[in-house]
Amino acid sequence: DVKVTQSSRYLVKRTGEKVFLECVQDMDHENMFWYRQDPGLGLRLIYFSYDVKMKEKGDIPEGYSVSREKKERFSLILESASTNQTSMYLCAGSTGDEMGRNQPQHFGDGTRLSIL
Amino acid sequence: ILNVEQSPQSLHVQEGDSTNFTCSFPSSNFYALHWYRWETAKSPEALFVMTLNGDEKKKGRISATLNTKEGYSYLYIKGSQPEDSATYLCAFVPNTGNQFYFGTGTSLTVIP
Repeated sequence: DVKVTQSSRYLVKRTGEKVFLECVQDMDHENMFWYRQDPGLGLRLIYFSYDVKMKEKGDIPEGYSVSREKKERFSLILESASTNQTSMYLCAGSTGDEMGRNQPQHFGDGTRLSIL
Repeated sequence: ILNVEQSPQSLHVQEGDSTNFTCSFPSSNFYALHWYRWETAKSPEALFVMTLNGDEKKKGRISATLNTKEGYSYLYIKGSQPEDSATYLCAFVPNTGNQFYFGTGTSLTVIP
C-alpha cells in the first residue's frame, strides 16, 4: 500500500521562527507537492518537485521554500513564520512526466500548523 | 487563478438514497479532471482521473462523468451508505502551466 508520511499531525510555533515540515513517500514517485488548505478555499499549491533538487513554484510560494535532496523526502520551510501561515498543510506524491497531471495524487494525513 | 466551483457546498441524504454533485471548471485549456474523497481525520483518497470528453468512470457505487466542452463533471453515488460520508474534492488541470486547481469540495453526510 502506498504511503505518504508527514512528520507531525499538529505543530505550534512562534512568529519569526524557521519551521520545517517534512514529508516522506515510499512509492518511488517522481513528483511531490505541498498544499495548504484554509476554510472556504480549495487546496492551494505552494511548491512541487518533479525530481531530486528540482522545484517549481505553485500558486502561493511567498514566504515558503522547499528542499528535495533525496527522492523520497520533500521538505517545506517557512523561513520566518507569520500568523497568516497558520493552516493545514498537505503533502502529496504522484508518478509520471509533466507533473503527473493525469495521475492520481497520494496524500499524507496533513499537518495542522498554528503560528502564535 | 482559475475558478473551479463545486455544488452543492454540503448535502445530507438518507442511507440508501442516491445522490450526485457537480464540479464546474473552465471549458478551455482542459487537460485532466481529478476527483478525491476526503474523510475526516484521514488523507484525501483518489477516486478518478478523467481526461477525455464523454468519459465515464466507475468504482463500486461511485461513478463520474465528464463534459469538457461545457466544463463540468458529475459525481454520482448510488445507494449512499454512512461510510460514504466525506468531503468530495475535484481538481482541474489545465494543459498549460503546472497547476492543479482544487474546488472547495462538497461535504456529504449520509444519515443512517
